[in-house]
Order: sequence, then structure tokens, then C-alpha cells
Amino acid sequence: DIQLTQSPSFLSASVGDRVTITCRASQGISSYLAWYQQKPGKAPKLLIYAASTLQSGVPSRFSGSGSGTEFTLTISSLQPEDFATYYCQQLNSYPPPLTFGGGTKVEIK
Amino acid sequence: EVQLVESGGGLVQPGRSLRLSCAASGFTFDDYAMHWVRQAPGKGLEWVSGISWNSGSIGYADSVKGRFTISRDNAKNSLYLQMNSLRAEDTALYYCAKVWDSSENDAFDIWGQGTMVTVSS
Repeated sequence: DIQLTQSPSFLSASVGDRVTITCRASQGISSYLAWYQQKPGKAPKLLIYAASTLQSGVPSRFSGSGSGTEFTLTISSLQPEDFATYYCQQLNSYPPPLTFGGGTKVEIK
Repeated sequence: EVQLVESGGGLVQPGRSLRLSCAASGFTFDDYAMHWVRQAPGKGLEWVSGISWNSGSIGYADSVKGRFTISRDNAKNSLYLQMNSLRAEDTALYYCAKVWDSSENDAFDIWGQGTMVTVSS
């Protein structure tokens, strides 16, 4: 199975900061990667699919890049509503599992 | 409004069974693959199972293979997860999710609010 490793698992940042989260796949997955945002007590929300395509309605301060085994999610200027946990998910092969990364919690400094 | 509403969760003893349901509305249900994802308390997301629009392609996580069965009834706009031989480690909030395009390996654009399953004696 393909494993996804997110880093960091936790980061503390201030409003206005540029934030980058990395997701590494244990084998190549082309651009079959999605990013989700989850706030406490809420369902995950799709931010980006196909590694770099912004989901409709998602602010343009979010961007994704990468292909193969290394991917990044960047928030260009962190806003108060962006404090949440972020997950990557590989969608390269089905079946088997559409693995999620372990998550990155973004908290206020 | 596009909506997914899960039901059927609850407290169940180890070894027993439970059937989850997910009612879909606001979109053409039989155009889309669907999935179940779970989240144990305080933990990350775990993909559980997925099913194609016509039930022709089905997949399971190794952790539930042989115990859980996914199904759908397109006439009723509903997705199901039959969970047998439940274990304590199956305790989680179970979400159903719709793919954004149509295929089983498209990203998940709509999620339900989840239904909690607690396995305990």
C-alpha cells in the first residue's frame, strides 16, 4: 500500500504568515493527490484535487503543487479561519486504499 | 442543496453487527462513486471502503476486509455499510463522501456530518 507522510505534524503560525505543508508518498502517484481542511467537530472540506487544482469556492491564498512523490500545500497569507488540521490523500490506485496522510494541525502562535 | 446524511451509528458490543446508512439528496446519486471514511476519536482520517456508481467496482481497507460490506441502492439514493464482527478499534465517527467527478478515485467533494459508532462491552 502507498503510505503518505505529512510534515510537520504540527505548526504554530501567525495571521499573515506564509505556511507550507509537505506530503510525501512512498511511491509515485503522478498528480493523484488531494488536500482537505478539517475544523474541530466538522467534516473535512476539499481544498485541492489533482495536486494543484483549486476546488470551487476555495480562496486563492490556497495553492498546491508537486507530482510523483512530493507535494506541497501553501497558504500564502494565513487568515484566522485557516487554523485547522490539513490532510493529504492519494487517489492513484483504486482499489486498494485511498490513503490519507497523518494530518498537520495549524495553530495560532 | 447537495447533502449527505448518515444514520445508524450507536453503541454496540464487540462481535456484534451494525448497518450504517447514508441518504443523498441534491444531486444525481447514480452518477457518482461513493465512499466511507472513518475517524477515531482524536485521530486522523482513515478510508474504509468505496463503491462505483453501478456497484461494479468495490474496495475495502485491509482493516475491514471480510467484515464490512458496502452497498448502494440507486433507486433510494442511499449508500450502506454493513459492519459485522465489530471490534473496539472500529470505534470512530463514520462519514460518507461523494466524489467530485464520477470515478472511484476522484477526490471527495461532499461529506456528511458523520455517525458515531462505539464498540464496547
